[in-house]
Amino acid sequence: KQEVTQIPAALSVPEGENLVLNCSFTDSAIYNLQWFRQDPGKGLTSLLLIQSSQREQTSGRLNASLDKSSGRSTLYIAASQPGDSATYLCAVKREGAQKLVFGQGTRLTINP
Amino acid sequence: SAVISQKPSRDICQRGTSLTIQCQVDSQVTMMFWYRQQPGQSLTLIATANQGSEATYESGFVIDKFPISRPNLTFSTLTVSNMSPEDSSIYLCTVSQETQYFGPGTRLLVL
Repeated sequence: KQEVTQIPAALSVPEGENLVLNCSFTDSAIYNLQWFRQDPGKGLTSLLLIQSSQREQTSGRLNASLDKSSGRSTLYIAASQPGDSATYLCAVKREGAQKLVFGQGTRLTINP
Repeated sequence: SAVISQKPSRDICQRGTSLTIQCQVDSQVTMMFWYRQQPGQSLTLIATANQGSEATYESGFVIDKFPISRPNLTFSTLTVSNMSPEDSSIYLCTVSQETQYFGPGTRLLVL
C-alpha cells in the first residue's frame, strides 16, 4: 500500500528566504507525482507535475525534483513571498491507476 | 485545462439528513473523482464516477452512504446520506487530464 509522507508538517520562515519542502513515498512504482497548493477553505491548485521518467520540473520560482528510486521529491521555493503562504500537498499516482495518494501536507507561513 | 464548479460551496446540516453535492466540468471527461478531506487531514478518494456505469468505491466507502450519479460526461453528484458529525469534511470533485484539476470543494458541517 502506497504511503506518502511530508516533512515538515509546518514551516514558518521570513520573507525572501529560499526553502525546501519534502515528500517521500513508499512504493517507487509511480506514474507521476504532483505538487498542489491549498489555500484555507479552498480547493487545490496544481503547481507542478513530474512524470516518473523526469527528474525535475520548474515553474517560475518553484522547482520540483523527483528521485523515484529513493522514493523522494522536493519542492524548492525561491525568494519566498507572503503570498506563498498556504498548505502544500504532494500526491503520487501509481502506474495503471487513476487514484492519487496524498501526503498530509506542509503548512507554510511566510512572514513579512 | 479544466474548470470545475461545485454546489453548494458550504452547508450546515442536521444529523440524519442527506446532502447532494453537484460537480460541473467545462469539458467532457471520462472519469470524475470524489475526494474527502476531513478536518486537519489530507485527501482520501471516496469513489470514481464513470459515465454509463456504476461508480467504483474505495475501501471504507459504500454506495448506500455515498451514492453517486454520473448522467453525462460533464456532470456528477455525490450524496452524503444519513449524515453524522463524522461526515463533516470538505468534499472535492476532480478530473484527470494528466494534471489533476480540482473543484473549489464543498465544506460540510454536520451538527
